[in-house]
Amino acid sequence: DAKTTQPNSMESNEEEPVHLPCNHSTISGTDYIHWYRQLPSQGPEYVIHGLTSNVNNRMASLAIAEDRKSSTLILHRATLRDAAVYYCILSNTNAGKSTFGDGTTLTVKP
Amino acid sequence: NAGVTQTPKFRVLKTGQSMTLLCAQDMNHEYMYWYRQDPGMGLRLIHYSVGEGTTAKGEVPDGYNVSRLKKQNFLLGLESAAPSQTSVYFCASRPPVAGGRSTGELFFGEGSRLTVL
Repeated sequence: DAKTTQPNSMESNEEEPVHLPCNHSTISGTDYIHWYRQLPSQGPEYVIHGLTSNVNNRMASLAIAEDRKSSTLILHRATLRDAAVYYCILSNTNAGKSTFGDGTTLTVKP
Repeated sequence: NAGVTQTPKFRVLKTGQSMTLLCAQDMNHEYMYWYRQDPGMGLRLIHYSVGEGTTAKGEVPDGYNVSRLKKQNFLLGLESAAPSQTSVYFCASRPPVAGGRSTGELFFGEGSRLTVL
């Protein structure tokens, strides 16, 4: 399985942008990059995904490196409600296995 | 739609007892998963299924069994519970990744908190 590596924790100030990095150096051509977040006492929820091009949605933006070996989740203006654990995982078109790492715990300071 | 529903949401067991966690999804997803999450840790894959009648081992399968007799249901069994199995269990489902038709987004249940004394 292609694995992802994320920093254990990051801090941000409220209303400032946050850039959460993810390394996936063994990514294959058929892997989609998915980001999920887990709020306290809840199950993970989908945030955004991408394959090769940068992506934007109402929650966040995803910047994917040209060689696809890394990606960055961008929260444009962090709020206290964005404090969560953020997971970057790879979803393969040809395999069913979906594994998570330990993710990045984001703390947002008022 | 209910999405992914897990039952029970809470359970306390004594060491050696058995139990089954039920996961039901109403989105007609082919793939289903069971994860466990210990305090302060990420999700670890126990078992998964890529279709009705098929199951496969994940990262931490020992002590657990699963069955997928119907497409919409994925059962996780503990034959002889141990304190080390105290955890929060999450079920998830997703369609296969299929280009423009599906990105393989995972949908999670709310979790089942299991305590083994």
